[in-house]
Amino acid sequence: QSALTQPRSVSGSPGQSVTISCTGTSSDVGGYNYVSWYQQHPGKAPKLMICDVTKRPSGVPDRFSGSKSGNTASLTISGLQAEDEADYYCCSYAGTYTPWVFGGGTKLTVL
Amino acid sequence: EVQLVESGGGLIQPGGSLRLSCAASGFTFSSYAMNWVRQAPGKGLEWVSAISGSGVSTYYADSVKGRFTISRDNSKNTLYLQMSSLRAEDTAVYYCAKGNALRYSDYWGQGTLVTVSS
Repeated sequence: QSALTQPRSVSGSPGQSVTISCTGTSSDVGGYNYVSWYQQHPGKAPKLMICDVTKRPSGVPDRFSGSKSGNTASLTISGLQAEDEADYYCCSYAGTYTPWVFGGGTKLTVL
Repeated sequence: EVQLVESGGGLIQPGGSLRLSCAASGFTFSSYAMNWVRQAPGKGLEWVSAISGSGVSTYYADSVKGRFTISRDNSKNTLYLQMSSLRAEDTAVYYCAKGNALRYSDYWGQGTLVTVSS
């Protein structure tokens, strides 16, 4: 199972919006509505930000939103804040043989 | 409050074995799938293995299949990862994570570092 494809880095100024893409195949992203997104600050454990493509867990700001079109999922962060600077990983269910596949990660820089 | 505390990491020689543990609290452990996810130094996240709540179903990444064994003791609220035939490329921080079926993981431990080196 190949990793999902994410841009290595994105950036934006405070208050702006950024979108991180996550491209897979019909066997993972396109085949199931089970895409999740994780935020990871340096030296910390990942934190779930979006599950099931569009759902926000309790406590996650509504500035974070998820979507999917075909084999590509996206995470949009609006009203960028300094604390949003982190690495972001997408993950998709990929069937019962190897259930999970991660993207390579995207480093978000808040300018 | 959900808590996941990994232990058992350390320095091990290539070809050696190591068992990681993850002590869980704050939720009904036996009702949830659990995952192991690793992160090599400076690299991204890699899913390693998953196990159903009952322990009957297990899943492995191709990179560890045949070398790693996931298990759980629901009476002790503990998840395990038995790692054998370790290679340098297994060097990573290993996280345990509480699963919601196989859809996502909503809570993660702080990780334990495994270093495979002679």
